Parts: sequence; structure tokens; C-alpha cells
Amino acid sequence: QKEVEQDPGPLSVPEGAIVSLNCTYSNSAFQYFMWYRQYSRKGPELLMYTYSSGNKEDGRFTAQVDKSSKYISLFIRDSQPSDSATYLCAMESQAGTALIFGKGTTLSVSS
Amino acid sequence: DGGITQSPKYLFRKEGQNVTLSCEQNLNHDAMYWYRQDPGQGLRLIYYSQIVNDFQKGDIAEGYSVSREKKESFPLTVTSAQKNPTAFYLCATSGSGANVLTFGAGSRLTVL
Repeated sequence: QKEVEQDPGPLSVPEGAIVSLNCTYSNSAFQYFMWYRQYSRKGPELLMYTYSSGNKEDGRFTAQVDKSSKYISLFIRDSQPSDSATYLCAMESQAGTALIFGKGTTLSVSS
Repeated sequence: DGGITQSPKYLFRKEGQNVTLSCEQNLNHDAMYWYRQDPGQGLRLIYYSQIVNDFQKGDIAEGYSVSREKKESFPLTVTSAQKNPTAFYLCATSGSGANVLTFGAGSRLTVL
């Protein structure tokens, strides 16, 4: 079993839809959880950062961590064509160690 | 690019040739990383360095080499021993004790 599992998609939704992106993991020691967004032919950029369990909201984006289920989610409300990108989850057990990335989910939002 | 410059952006290489990818940062970050990205494979760690003159192998270090002579620079050499070098290479940095990565724009290497 890989440490981090992420459905690669592609996921296609109409503009305005609510998008749910998910990752599961096997290492119960993970404490830091991140979502990165990567546009085509660009480097990833940090979108959301969460420590331990709980929710975090930033504008149209909400990150959820459920450590008991080893499951993290990223919700995008009122999705826009500019949200079309690949979304990578990442996590690590302690600060300063190397991140473990999921394979990324490719999202396409049509207008 | 958030203070990280990767060059060249695109590179073509013949089989059997070594090639060096440059990564320079002005963020004053201690740690630097090299990742490889292939379609459907996500990001895989090649090498990382947390301080000058020290670096560690990542998950797929075979066929690659690095150096860290200056805090600002972490070049990656793709040697002829790397069997499948065609990929998108990403350099990243993080500050001391932090676990948030800042990425460069990437270098796309194609072996002909």
C-alpha cells in the first residue's frame, strides 16, 4: 500500500460546481497536511496548509483533515475556469522532513 | 517563481550525455530539494539538502548527483546512468524548521 493515495481523475465539472478532492494515507504519524495547485507546465504553489485534524477555510477553498480515518479533503466552492489545474496533496510527520506527495488530481472547470 | 530560478526551462540531450540543471534561490532558505515529475507519477524526491555541504538521497537518487557548495545554489546533474531521464524536474526550498515548500518553475528535460 502506498503511503499516500490520490485519484488522478481527470475530474470535469461545470462552472459554479462544488468540487471535492481527496487523499487517503497509511502513516498515522503524519501531522502536517498541505494542498498544492499546479498549472500546466508550472511549478506547484501552496494552496492550503493544515496541522493535525480539523477544518481550515480560505475564501472558496476549505481543507479538512480526518486523522481517525486517515483521510483529507479539499473543497472548492463556486468553481471557476481558473481553478482548472492539477491538485496535489502532501503530508509529513514532522516539520523539516521531506514531504510525501500524492500523484495529483487533474481538474477541469468548463464555462 | 517566488525567488527560485531554474534553468534551463527546456533542455534536449542525446543519450549518453550528462546534463546539469541549475537551481538558484534568493529566499535565504536553508533546505533545498529536487523532485522529478512524470505523468501519472506525482512528485518523487531525488535529493535534498538541509545545510551547505551536506545532502541526502531521496527515493530515486540513482543516476543523479548534486552539490551544495553555497546556500543559494543546488545544481542537479542527470548522468548517463539514469535510464529514463526524460521528465519535468522541480527544485524547491523551505525555511529552517518549516515544512512548506516553495517551488521553482521547473526544467523539462527530453532525451533524444
